[in-house]
Amino acid sequence: EDQVTQSPEALRLQEGESSSLNCSYTVSGLRGLFWYRQDPGKGPEFLFTLYSAGEEKEKERLKATLTKKESFLHITAPKPEDSATYLCAVQARGTGGFKTIFGAGTRLFVKA
Amino acid sequence: DSGVTQTPKHLITATGQRVTLRCSPRSGDLSVYWYQQSLDQGLQFLIQYYNGEERAKGNILERFSAQQFPDLHSELNLSSLELGDSALYFCASSVRWDAPTDTQYFGPGTRLTVL
Repeated sequence: EDQVTQSPEALRLQEGESSSLNCSYTVSGLRGLFWYRQDPGKGPEFLFTLYSAGEEKEKERLKATLTKKESFLHITAPKPEDSATYLCAVQARGTGGFKTIFGAGTRLFVKA
Repeated sequence: DSGVTQTPKHLITATGQRVTLRCSPRSGDLSVYWYQQSLDQGLQFLIQYYNGEERAKGNILERFSAQQFPDLHSELNLSSLELGDSALYFCASSVRWDAPTDTQYFGPGTRLTVL
């Protein structure tokens, strides 16, 4: 069964304390892996798309990497405004097209 | 601002009622997706339309239906509402459905409360 698992469920950091969020997946026919940021009560905001193992993308304090079984979202020197839920999603082949499966997310809290 | 709009922002109704949620995709996007997000379930894919036709189906209940109109806006109809249908409903859009660079951009959501 296709599955996306994110860990940890919640992460508390001090401002400036770098860390990584993990997204492991089990899908057949991976087409792409996506990272989103979601603030409470708002829609997910697109961050990155990764297509193949070894690929890396960066944006400000965030860097996403992809292997054949998992992806990491590295946060360097986080600030309080980075506090949010980070969602990982994979797109894979499904019946009649493609399906998108989201993980449950990692809630990040950054304290000043 | 993603460019995807959803109305209404909030909706409060009673069990057994029917409601319609509306979504307008980003300019130029042909594909629309509907998702349900509840506290204990995370984001669940419901259904996708591409250029007016149903493209993919997820965990959508038979009480729910959707359509995409010629102007590409989409509506999600929820009927015989139950308490458990209370959730955030998101719409997302993308240019196509089969391009490697397809990215789904999400709207701000509609918060549905069933009393």
